Amino acid sequence: GQSLEQPSEVTAVEGAIVQINCTYQTSGFYGLSWYQQHDGGAPTFLSYNALDGLEETGRFSSFLSRSDSYGYLLLQELQMKDSASYFCAPSGSARQLTFGSGTQLTVLP
Amino acid sequence: NAGVTQTPKFRVLKTGQSMTLLCAQDMNHEYMYWYRQDPGMGLRLIHYSVGEGTTAKGEVPDGYNVSRLKKQNFLLGLESAAPSQTSVYFCASRQLGVSTDTQYFGPGTRLTVL
Repeated sequence: GQSLEQPSEVTAVEGAIVQINCTYQTSGFYGLSWYQQHDGGAPTFLSYNALDGLEETGRFSSFLSRSDSYGYLLLQELQMKDSASYFCAPSGSARQLTFGSGTQLTVLP
Repeated sequence: NAGVTQTPKFRVLKTGQSMTLLCAQDMNHEYMYWYRQDPGMGLRLIHYSVGEGTTAKGEVPDGYNVSRLKKQNFLLGLESAAPSQTSVYFCASRQLGVSTDTQYFGPGTRLTVL
């Protein structure tokens, strides 16, 4: 079966760095995606890791270790607008294998 | 370039009524998906399509049907709506490459079944 674990809530202050961890157990794994969703909005794509290692996109970075079935999203220089839900999503060839319940990030002033 | 659009944005149904949600994408993507999201929850896959004329069941397909007659459109039907189908429905199309895997989501349809 498929399973995925990420923290339900994370709180940090503006300007800080926060890491959201994701562990998964799936079959047919291709890569790990991260999506951001603000309240009342649609999910938007942040990052994708097909290979082990770190991918950097501006203030956001994502890491994958296939051997550990583990990944994380790193958000630097946090801003108030980063308050949102963050979903990690392992993907297979035809479909996203699962979306977790997400991590609610609250950024405090 | 509108990306992914969904029609309607809001709808209220009575139990037993039927309706069709329309999703359209202009990015020429092969893969399209229908998800539902309940309050405080993640996305759950209802049905998906890997190309024109093909559909497949996701995690929660019961009570829904889909059709992909044209590459750019993916329709989700509720044959006999139930209160348990009250949710926000998101459509997405997917760009898949060797080192890329991106889903583009529509704005969502907020459905209430009374």
